[in-house]
Amino acid sequence: GAGVSQSPSNKVTEKGKDVELRCDPISGHTALYWYRQRLGQGLEFLIYFQGNSAPDKSGLPSDRFSAERTGESVSTLTIQRTQQEDSAVYLCASSFAGNQPQHFGDGTRLSIL
Amino acid sequence: RKEVEQDPGPFNVPEGATVAFNCTYSNSASQSFFWYRQDCRKEPKLLMSVYSSGNEDGRFTAQLNRASQYISLLIRDSKLSDSATYLCVVNSFSGGYNKLIFGAGTRLAVHP
Repeated sequence: GAGVSQSPSNKVTEKGKDVELRCDPISGHTALYWYRQRLGQGLEFLIYFQGNSAPDKSGLPSDRFSAERTGESVSTLTIQRTQQEDSAVYLCASSFAGNQPQHFGDGTRLSIL
Repeated sequence: RKEVEQDPGPFNVPEGATVAFNCTYSNSASQSFFWYRQDCRKEPKLLMSVYSSGNEDGRFTAQLNRASQYISLLIRDSKLSDSATYLCVVNSFSGGYNKLIFGAGTRLAVHP
């Protein structure tokens, strides 16, 4: 069966550009999470969706970061006016419910030049 | 205090050794507990769930101590392939919704 799919796998862009990262969760999974992981660091929680609502956005580092989810399915994470410190792997995970194990996508490796 | 705290590591052990990781959590209402494994430059993957009665999966044993609010992972007969970061995961229920909280991870390096 299909797992969590993220695109693109890699993204290289110039500082100041906007980027959009996509996550296709496992079908039927109501919970969806975005994380950021810098090289050699742990997972940094960004935002959590339950259905199309985001009850917890506490991890978004600044107003340059936003995310949405539609149809209780696809989610996009948008980073505006990218900065070099945004370089990281962005991981998406989904689960059947908020207290069930998460399944992760392969991540998007974002490099800001 | 962080909601989920783990041994900082790294743990450097020889092949065949037994190694144990502990993880403490702050929310006494937590009900779901998991151990994940993350290999270098890979996504985290579920290793095992942790049940109240403790559970074993081959060389791996997970235990839960609700009174002291900690979970543990024991790896017996360590293999080189066990080298990875092990993440403790606990659910948190607040504001009317459940979500999982990841610990920062404990790095294990198994050497020949």
